[in-house]
Amino acid sequence: QQQVKQSPQSLIVQKGGISIINCAYENTAFDYFPWYQQFPGKGPALLIAIRPDVSEKKEGRFTISFNKSAKQFSLHIMDSQPGDSATYFCAASGSGGGADGLTFGKGTHLIIQP
Amino acid sequence: NAGVTQTPKFRILKIGQSMTLQCAQDMNHNYMYWYRQDPGMGLKLIYYSVGAGITDKGEVPNGYNVSRSTTEDFPLRLELAAPSQTSVYFCASRKGTGKSTDTQYFGPGTRLTVL
Repeated sequence: QQQVKQSPQSLIVQKGGISIINCAYENTAFDYFPWYQQFPGKGPALLIAIRPDVSEKKEGRFTISFNKSAKQFSLHIMDSQPGDSATYFCAASGSGGGADGLTFGKGTHLIIQP
Repeated sequence: NAGVTQTPKFRILKIGQSMTLQCAQDMNHNYMYWYRQDPGMGLKLIYYSVGAGITDKGEVPNGYNVSRSTTEDFPLRLELAAPSQTSVYFCASRKGTGKSTDTQYFGPGTRLTVL
């Protein structure tokens, strides 16, 4: 049972465009929703994260939009650059004592064309 | 700080062999995790630990064992390697404040092939 569904699987965007990646979750106990960025041969690195008490969080060119009623959240990359080309994972974790590991989506391979 | 370190970076095993993947962190984090990443499948949690001497199973623990004798180290043991364990393994850690909002920091990974 996949608890976090991510789409699209791959995405090609022109330089300067907006990249949008969507995720949906099933477990209403989730209370933390991070996005991770991974370059080839490297470990995932936290990009931005949100909690369900806010509907949007922005850090530079990266924005998370969160819709609690729909159980969906998305990553928007504004003014996309070739250096943003990477694999992006959405994830979620619950509040079960704080020991939770992350439940990951399957990832989106993003290519920014110059 | 070196952060989260993992050794080896690459390893090829024969079916039935055993090995230990090493993970260490120098950030004095309480919580540590092992994930495996398969192509197109995201990362799945194998085991985690909330402190020295305390470990618990994640989503895909079969075929693996862990131990946590110190705060810094969290080795992952494969006893009888199988082709299904071919994957990239990531160790992660976080401080752990009782909430699930702490950042998890990932190591560079170990790419394991079982032939």
